[in-house]
Amino acid sequence: QVQLQESGPGQVKPSETLSLTCAVSGYSISGSYYWGWIRQSPGKGLEWIASSYHSGSTYYNPSLKSRVTISLDTSTNQFSLKLTSVTAADTAVYYCARVRSSFGNWSFDYWGQGTLVTVSS
Amino acid sequence: QSVLTQPPSMSGAPGQRVTISCTGNRSNIGAGYDVHWYQQLPGTAPKLLIYGNTNRPSGVPDRFSGSKSGTSASLAITGLQAGDEADYYCQSYDSNLSASVFGGGTKLTVL
Repeated sequence: QVQLQESGPGQVKPSETLSLTCAVSGYSISGSYYWGWIRQSPGKGLEWIASSYHSGSTYYNPSLKSRVTISLDTSTNQFSLKLTSVTAADTAVYYCARVRSSFGNWSFDYWGQGTLVTVSS
Repeated sequence: QSVLTQPPSMSGAPGQRVTISCTGNRSNIGAGYDVHWYQQLPGTAPKLLIYGNTNRPSGVPDRFSGSKSGTSASLAITGLQAGDEADYYCQSYDSNLSASVFGGGTKLTVL
């Protein structure tokens, strides 16, 4: 069974960098799926952040692209997210997910439980 | 403000059928991109309910069904149960935004 688990600091200071890691079990991230990050601001909807494939193919939400980096580590079967210059608007629950791709159409078929990151001094 | 519009809330009595709409435009649903649906129970992560407009992942009851026509899609739930009380989100791709996008979500209340 595919399982994903996010980890990282629960609080980040404004202007600093948010760093999260997603540990995957039950499936190799070198397999035939993309891997991605989605966030959900308190009481609000879902926002796709980024997705990546083990070949190096990477896609970013243009609204966040200048501040985001996603990377995969096949040796540890983990992938990570870095978001720079954070503000209070980046406070959210961050989810990692497996991306199911079919003829370029993406859906997110397995999700981590989510981790709340609060941006505050 | 999402490019995919969903009603903020809906309700239904146990046993009834409800249909949640997801309205887009010619740069997303109308462009032929697939629509997917997620169920988010209180305090949990979203769960994929429907993918590729009409397909159910293994384990999802056939009480849940999806459809798509033109620039809109719908999620139908029949035989409504108390356990169906959740937030429901549609998702697709938008070519103008070059991004996967989610609807604003619909909070379903079982009366």
